[in-house]
Amino acid sequence: DTGVSQDPRHKITKRGQNVTFRCDPISEHNRLYWYRQTLGQGPEFLTYFQNEAQLEKSRLLSDRFSAERPKGSFSTLEIQRTEQGDSAMYLCASSPTSFYEQYFGPGTRLTVT
Amino acid sequence: RKEVEQDPGPFNVPEGATVAFNCTYSNSASQSFFWYRQDCRKEPKLLMSVYSSGNEDGRFTAQLNRASQYISLLIRDSKLSDSATYLCVVQRGDSNYQLIWGAGTKLIIKP
Repeated sequence: DTGVSQDPRHKITKRGQNVTFRCDPISEHNRLYWYRQTLGQGPEFLTYFQNEAQLEKSRLLSDRFSAERPKGSFSTLEIQRTEQGDSAMYLCASSPTSFYEQYFGPGTRLTVT
Repeated sequence: RKEVEQDPGPFNVPEGATVAFNCTYSNSASQSFFWYRQDCRKEPKLLMSVYSSGNEDGRFTAQLNRASQYISLLIRDSKLSDSATYLCVVQRGDSNYQLIWGAGTKLIIKP
């Protein structure tokens, strides 16, 4: 079991550019979550997948954010027209269906200049 | 009022001491509770789930008080390696999968 992986680990982009992050969950986990975390705060929920279905998206998420999990395995999170306020750590987590405990990847640190 | 509240600290504690954190939550319908540990610029890692009867894992003890809607974490014989931020996590009362995260309590163990 290799754990949750995320790619890239770091991304620096200019304001207005689009970025895409990838998450590979633990293989037998059906649930996949995306979070955003800024300094001094806990993770903030962005969206949730059960298999390939996106079951919830945070009201805080603007239309510039979109996520997919096309085959119920890996997931991508895309941010269009990035803004400086999007600078944060983007965390992916997965869990088995029957448990609430979530296991996190190392995160993608986004810096928008 | 935040759904999950924690004292941000930092708690500066000498090595070998006992330290306790509390966390309060607002939704009485919440059923599952956790403590996570997060090191600086790293991802959160599950420390322990919190069960109704309380549970212990080595030097760590977690308690749940439903009546007062708080959970606690006790660390005995603290080690330098316990220095981290401890995040209180509560299942959202109207959801069977979404978790609400506190902002964390920073703990610094001093030699």
